[in-house]
Formats: sequence, structure tokens, C-alpha cells
Amino acid sequence: QSALTQPPSASGSPGQSVTFSCTGTSDVGGRSNYVSWYQQRPGQAPKLIIFEVTKRPSGVPDRFSGSKSGNTASLTVSGLQAEDEGNYFCSSYAGTNNYVVFGGGTKLTVL
Amino acid sequence: QLQLQESGPGLVKPSETLSLTCTISGGFISDINYFWGWIRQPPGKGLEWIGTVYYSGTTYYNPSLKSRLTVSVDTSKNEFSLKLVSVTAADTAVYYCARQPNADDWLMFHRWGQGTLVTVSS
Repeated sequence: QSALTQPPSASGSPGQSVTFSCTGTSDVGGRSNYVSWYQQRPGQAPKLIIFEVTKRPSGVPDRFSGSKSGNTASLTVSGLQAEDEGNYFCSSYAGTNNYVVFGGGTKLTVL
Repeated sequence: QLQLQESGPGLVKPSETLSLTCTISGGFISDINYFWGWIRQPPGKGLEWIGTVYYSGTTYYNPSLKSRLTVSVDTSKNEFSLKLVSVTAADTAVYYCARQPNADDWLMFHRWGQGTLVTVSS
């Protein structure tokens, strides 16, 4: 069982926006706001798309945005495209013993 | 351009040792700006961080695996390795190696290998 809870599935039509949630039992990311999001297209390795709650690595479109409020972090994908289909995983700093934990992932279907 | 490539047996018997190597090209394991990590993903399931190593040999392990796990570096070969002993079917997964930044948020994985499937079965 993941320490971070994500809804198992989400869907949207091309051009729409969809938001994924990631909920922990305590302050997700901790006081340092270390929350990341990964996109995993079918058959591929995960790809970092958001780090430190809101930051995007070079090359990631600004259609992807992150936010956080207390125990819940969120990822919003705007202007959905067919290529956005896949699984989205959140991760969070989990303290000096566990270091980092992942959510179970949300599978995005573009209708 | 950095590339990470996992290698090792695709089939391991229960109670034996799982050994994998991640070979780095287009970069150096001794680069002080990075850590190097292992993550796994059971078929159809989520991700689990396994452990992380710095070129100096300093390691950080997932507490749930720590008693069975060794992660090490070989700077002469520009690679790092994973050994997991006493494996069971629960260790069946795609194993990824990844690079992490040497920064305050070192717990993000910003470059990944393609992954290798390891099945534990007799």
C-alpha cells in the first residue's frame, strides 16, 4: 500500500483540463515542499515533469502545472493531448528514515 | 547526452541473490553534482524507491529493503550496482536506475534508464 494516495483513473477529452490529486497522511512533501510528479507512457520509463511542487524541468510544456495544500498535492494538465495518456505518479519526501515515497499512480485516458 | 543502461539476469530463483548493474554513458558517476538511485515497479503496480548511492560510496536505503540490500559504485567502470539477497516472488519487478541531483531536493529522479524486468521464479 502506497504512503501517498492517488485516484486510480482519470479521463478527459482533447483540449480539456484534468487535475490529479496526491494525498498523504501528513504534510505532503514536508516543510521543504519536496513533491515531484512523473509521467509514464505505456511501455516507457517514468519521466520527471514537476519537481519541488511547481517547477518544470527544461522541455516540459507549461500545460503541466503543480500545486500543494497541506496534505494534498495536485497536478493539472491543461489542453489535453492524445500523447498525455499514461500513468502519473507523485512522490514526496518522507522524512529522514524513509526518504521518498511514491503514490500508486493515476491512469489518464484521453477520450 | 546521458544514458543509463540496466543489465543483469532476467530470471532469479527464490532465496537467491538479485544482482543488477547500471552503466552510465555520456556522464560520469564521479560527478559531484549527482546521486545515483534504483527504483522498481512490480508489473501493473506503482513505483518503489530502493536505494541511492553517491560516488564516494555513501548509501541511503529504503528501510523495508535495507536488511537485504547493497548498493555500490565502481568508478573505474562508471557504473553502480544493486544486490538484493533472499529474493521472493514479491521482488519481481521492472528495475530502473536513475540519476538524482546533489541538491536540497535530491529525492527526485530526473533521468531514468529504460528498465529491466527481473522475475523471481523457480
